[in-house]
Amino acid sequence: EPEVTQTPSHQVTQMGQEVILRCVPISNHLYFYWYRQILGQKVEFLVSFYNNEISEKSEIFDDQFSVERPDGSNFTLKIRSTKLEDSAMYFCASRTSGGANTEAFFGQGTRLTVV
Amino acid sequence: AQSVTQLGSHVSVSEGALVLLRCNYSSSVPPYLFWYVQYPNQGLQLLLKYTSAATLVKGINGFEAEFKKSETSFHLTKPSAHMSDAAEYFCAVSDRFGNEKLTFGTGTRLTIIP
Repeated sequence: EPEVTQTPSHQVTQMGQEVILRCVPISNHLYFYWYRQILGQKVEFLVSFYNNEISEKSEIFDDQFSVERPDGSNFTLKIRSTKLEDSAMYFCASRTSGGANTEAFFGQGTRLTVV
Repeated sequence: AQSVTQLGSHVSVSEGALVLLRCNYSSSVPPYLFWYVQYPNQGLQLLLKYTSAATLVKGINGFEAEFKKSETSFHLTKPSAHMSDAAEYFCAVSDRFGNEKLTFGTGTRLTIIP
């Protein structure tokens, strides 16, 4: 069964360092998302991406964040200068088409710990 | 803005007992509603979704949920809990007329007592 794959599963980084979280969406999917979940809090939307551009981003997704689909298969989330409050589980998701009723498939998540 | 509220961050039920996980939504337009499950060390998996066809929605693993507009609720139920149901459950809402992002509740951790 096709699945969304995220790497690494856990990353520890020092405050101020850049991190790149990687995702391989399901191959025929066209819409891509990043969500995050701070420990004990809600899963929050960060950004959606379609046709090689951001279609929507949340207030959380400030200038420190960027996304890229560099090679047609990977979908990356970059945090330029990490802060302690960026520590969270980051989930990548993809769906075949637009339309809010279609299923979003999620990866297993990357746990980012900023020290 | 749309939102969902999940009552009870932790729910414990005995094996074989009824599972009831509560979700109430707030939306200015009829929403799409979803339940996702997260097993330990795994990603979010869709259990079921409401997209305005039938108000009683059946999902995987014997779960179902009923959309009640008058109560703005979409509670998740399963008649008989199994040990394998132990997981975190998330209710989510999406605006059918807008973008496709999901707005999640805080989650409910379900524990099954042998």
